[in-house]
Amino acid sequence: DIQLTQSPSFLSASVGDRVTITCRASQGINSYLAWYQQKPGKAPRLLIHATSTLQNGVPSRFSGSGSGTEFTLTISSLQPEDFATYYCQQLNSYPHTFGQGTKVEIK
Amino acid sequence: EVQLVQSGAEVKKPGESLKISCKASGFSFTSFWIGWVRQLPGKGLEWMGIIYPIDSDTRYSPSFQGQVTISADKSSTTAYLQWSSLRPSDTAIYYCARHVFGSDSVHFDYWGQGTLVSVSS
Repeated sequence: DIQLTQSPSFLSASVGDRVTITCRASQGINSYLAWYQQKPGKAPRLLIHATSTLQNGVPSRFSGSGSGTEFTLTISSLQPEDFATYYCQQLNSYPHTFGQGTKVEIK
Repeated sequence: EVQLVQSGAEVKKPGESLKISCKASGFSFTSFWIGWVRQLPGKGLEWMGIIYPIDSDTRYSPSFQGQVTISADKSSTTAYLQWSSLRPSDTAIYYCARHVFGSDSVHFDYWGQGTLVSVSS
């Protein structure tokens, strides 16, 4: 299985901050990397797919980049509704594993 | 409107069987794979497997192969996840999601609301 390691696992930030979350894969996954946001008690929500393609309806403050084994999710200016847990997922090979999650909390 | 509506919460005893459902609407059920994801209490997301309803082609995570069965019924546009003998360690929220296979992108784009399964004696 391909392992995905997210860093940090926990992040404390303020409204307006620029936030970056990294996802490292144990082997190359081409561009088959997606990012999801999950709020407590809710289903995950797709933010970005194919490394950098913003899903319809997702604010442009979210962006993704990377290649090979290292990928990042950036929130350019953190908003109150962005406090949540974020997961990366590789879809290059089965099983389509998730990272362990990054919880973004209010500072 | 694309919707995946899951069956309600279940409380079961160890050793019992269970089948939960995911009713799809608003899209061509036989044109997309449907996947299942587990979330243990307070933990992260785990990919369990996916099914292609048109021919029931199924891919399982090795962690779940033999532990659960994923199936689909084209006539009712419903996907299922079932256990033959539940364990307390199966206590979790289970999500279904629509799986998109594009030429340059693969992802889960729509998710069900989740089904809480509680297993306790």
